[in-house]
Amino acid sequence: GESVGLHLPTLSVQEGDNSIINCAYSNSASDYFIWYKQESGKGPQFIIDIRSNMDKRQGQRVTVLLNKTVKHLSLQIAATQPGDSAVYFCAEMYNNNDMRFGAGTRLTVKP
Amino acid sequence: KAGVTQTPRYLIKTRGQQVTLSCSPISGHRSVSWYQQTPGQGLQFLFEYFSETQRNKGNFPGRFSGRQFSNSRSEMNVSTLELGDSALYLCASSLASLNTEAFFGQGTRLTVV
Repeated sequence: GESVGLHLPTLSVQEGDNSIINCAYSNSASDYFIWYKQESGKGPQFIIDIRSNMDKRQGQRVTVLLNKTVKHLSLQIAATQPGDSAVYFCAEMYNNNDMRFGAGTRLTVKP
Repeated sequence: KAGVTQTPRYLIKTRGQQVTLSCSPISGHRSVSWYQQTPGQGLQFLFEYFSETQRNKGNFPGRFSGRQFSNSRSEMNVSTLELGDSALYLCASSLASLNTEAFFGQGTRLTVV
């Protein structure tokens, strides 16, 4: 498959374990924070977003936590499955302007 | 419902040439955004079109341009290609302008030789 990034941070977890992917953002005035998943050979896929006035949001098997004090965002994936193996990007959006993406983290799930 | 379609999937051009990439958004979506993805720079926002108007623009030179048609299909053009323009070009569509829930196509892999 295509390599999204040759020197991405990597996270390797055992199937069934929980995964936590972290992201530091730069703009304290960003309105939204978003997580995308990109599988090899595909475009990014929206997972979940969180508005800046929230600190936690839950989806199906995923939870996003926002810590504005330290400008940190995390994505928690419960009961990680092999199909979760992908590169995960965080993104921030400011004033409905351009969306800025982080470098990405490669998640590998071991069976 | 059909997803975002980008054509062509792969393209090889030589330096100095120009190229046009096409993106058909999901039916009913009026916003189309373009991104460049490279191993070194990651995903970078190029520009966004909404209802045939460029709404937002990233930090790319004027060689990168785009347009949107009345049916919301969008094209991106790169003139005077440079080796560094080799990348995966992704488009994303959404209902509203720069909606966080954007749907991406598979991309066009451009190689400049």
